Amino acid sequence: AQSVTQLGSHVSVSEGALVLLRCNYSSSVPPYLFWYVQYPNQGLQLLLKYTTGATLVKGINGFEAEFKKSETSFHLTKPSAHMSDAAEYFCAVSDKFSGNEKLTFGTGTRLTIIP
Amino acid sequence: DAGVIQSPRHEVTEMGQEVTLRCKPISGHDYLFWYRQTMMRGLELLIYFNNNVPIDDSGMPEDRFSAKMPNASFSTLKIQPSEPRDSAVYFCASSFKGGGYTFGSGTRLTVV
Repeated sequence: AQSVTQLGSHVSVSEGALVLLRCNYSSSVPPYLFWYVQYPNQGLQLLLKYTTGATLVKGINGFEAEFKKSETSFHLTKPSAHMSDAAEYFCAVSDKFSGNEKLTFGTGTRLTIIP
Repeated sequence: DAGVIQSPRHEVTEMGQEVTLRCKPISGHDYLFWYRQTMMRGLELLIYFNNNVPIDDSGMPEDRFSAKMPNASFSTLKIQPSEPRDSAVYFCASSFKGGGYTFGSGTRLTVV
């Protein structure tokens, strides 16, 4: 069974500072990996995904994530935080070989930006 | 593309009443998912369909919940009878294999 662990349910960073949100996965085979963002009173929106190929994945709004197989990690980063980045972020994993499309989500990290 | 469309956006109902939530997935997506989100439990997968066929309904809380997908462009989640503990935001999402989900805006259900 696969799972994801998001370290830190709440993260606060100053505007302009580096954003780092951590995600570690547990899977017997290299999975598909995703980051989603949820703004208040909205659905989840796909930020970026890793399926195969280049391990550094660029997404929307200046975010990127790097798949590190040796560390079983897929941390999300942004060089300079903006007030509009305040939201909840979810990491998710699916098994590319299972034949189904079911995603397992982490418990989420709420990002607060300090002016 | 209009995205995944859910209706209604908000629903307030009295305990014991039947509630029906609706979802129109993105055309061409062959997977459809129903999730429930609460502060206490986070995101819970209730059921998902592939090519209109229910694949996994193990997350459906109890027999009061049922879901259907009569065709590729429409799905419903029904709660009968509703209870206050069903109050949550219900999301529908659709996808194609490996593509990642596209979520709807959700239905906020309040059962009083």
